[in-house]
Amino acid sequence: DGGITQSPKYLFRKEGQNVTLSCEQNLNHDAMYWYRQDPGQGLRLIYYSQIVNDFQKGDIAEGYSVSREKKESFPLTVTSAQKNPTAFYLCASQSGRISGANVLTFGAGSRLTVL
Amino acid sequence: AQSVTQPDIHITVSEGASLELRCNYSYGATPYLFWYVQSPGQGLQLLLKYFSGDTLVQGIKGFEAEFKRSQSSFNLRKPSVHWSDAAEYFCAVFTLEYGNKLVFGAGTILRVKS
Repeated sequence: DGGITQSPKYLFRKEGQNVTLSCEQNLNHDAMYWYRQDPGQGLRLIYYSQIVNDFQKGDIAEGYSVSREKKESFPLTVTSAQKNPTAFYLCASQSGRISGANVLTFGAGSRLTVL
Repeated sequence: AQSVTQPDIHITVSEGASLELRCNYSYGATPYLFWYVQSPGQGLQLLLKYFSGDTLVQGIKGFEAEFKRSQSSFNLRKPSVHWSDAAEYFCAVFTLEYGNKLVFGAGTILRVKS
């Protein structure tokens, strides 16, 4: 079945460590996104990518980095520069060019906890 | 500031009762409008969307939403709530005014009591 796979589901990190969250899609979608979710704040956009080897910062990109070497994959690295990384992270993808008419498909999310 | 507002953080309804979740946006032009649902610890699932045309749109799981341009609202409704509807609901707006990105409201948590 086509979809988006995020791993790991749960991740614990010590302060000062970088961690990478995986996002893989087999939907043949062009655009991919990373969102951060905190209670009572909805979803906030971290980074997005419209095509391979190209990506743009979202609203809260500081302390995060991404790469898009393959169409299917869009990993997110949470660096030690991110001051409050404990959150639920959601990856999404969208077919075609970025447009309101193209609906986002979401993965099941990864919960990162900093100890 | 341009935003999407869901004024109710929590709503509790009895099973079988009707439901209305509110959503207002502050953009000038008519945007693309969405409602998503999220079960605990899961991703988001699209319930319905409005792009143009008939202002009353039908979605999955018996949900519907009405776009009211004069009120800048896109409220979600269901005539009879089931216990399985307990989840968090997000309104989202896509508009060129906000850099061609999807903007989410803060969400409304629905509790269903039996």
